[in-house]
Amino acid sequence: SAVISQKPSRDICQRGTSLTIQCQVDSQVTMMFWYRQQPGQSLTLIATANQGSEATYESGFVIDKFPISRPNLTFSTLTVSNMSPEDSSIYLCSVDVTSETQYFGPGTRLLVL
Amino acid sequence: TQLLEQSPQFLSIQEGENLTVYCNSSSVFSSLQWYRQEPGEGPVLLVTVVTGGEVKKLKRLTFQFGDARKDSSLHITAAQPGDTGLYLCAGEQGGSEKLVFGKGTKLTVNP
Repeated sequence: SAVISQKPSRDICQRGTSLTIQCQVDSQVTMMFWYRQQPGQSLTLIATANQGSEATYESGFVIDKFPISRPNLTFSTLTVSNMSPEDSSIYLCSVDVTSETQYFGPGTRLLVL
Repeated sequence: TQLLEQSPQFLSIQEGENLTVYCNSSSVFSSLQWYRQEPGEGPVLLVTVVTGGEVKKLKRLTFQFGDARKDSSLHITAAQPGDTGLYLCAGEQGGSEKLVFGKGTKLTVNP
């Protein structure tokens, strides 16, 4: 298994600003993922954070809006840029410990006013 | 297009009852995972099934992966209020390591 922490746990932000979310895992992992969970909805994959290369984004998500860093095998950040109320969601990071198992962080609850 | 159809979407039952949650797809998955998420927390992995026809038991929870690896079910026996939560199935396709999630089943077990 893996222990994953996220910072901040929650935040309230003004529209037009940006927020950077941190994800820290207690062991080295190859694959890290970022998801969005809108209110009352399931999880949607934003991107895969690759160590040493650009993140791979899913359809509907772009680097300018959600820049991602992955400086090493235990850490990643997701920035939500130029926020609008539609960005209010829970943002979750996960890690792929084995090829068939992902573990999730506790999430960052974002409210944009 | 939702690759994984989960049903029912909502389920409210009394303590002691049994229930089954279904996760269906027209696509084949190399593995399928079940998670439970409680309010204010991230999803917690319950089980991963990888072999067609596989059945796994976790105390009062029984998970089954369909023979064709396109569907799965979660059966809870003698539900308890502590089972309340959002149950999510997620499938991995072809070794991509990316998960596709169902919409979830919100279970409420009333004492």
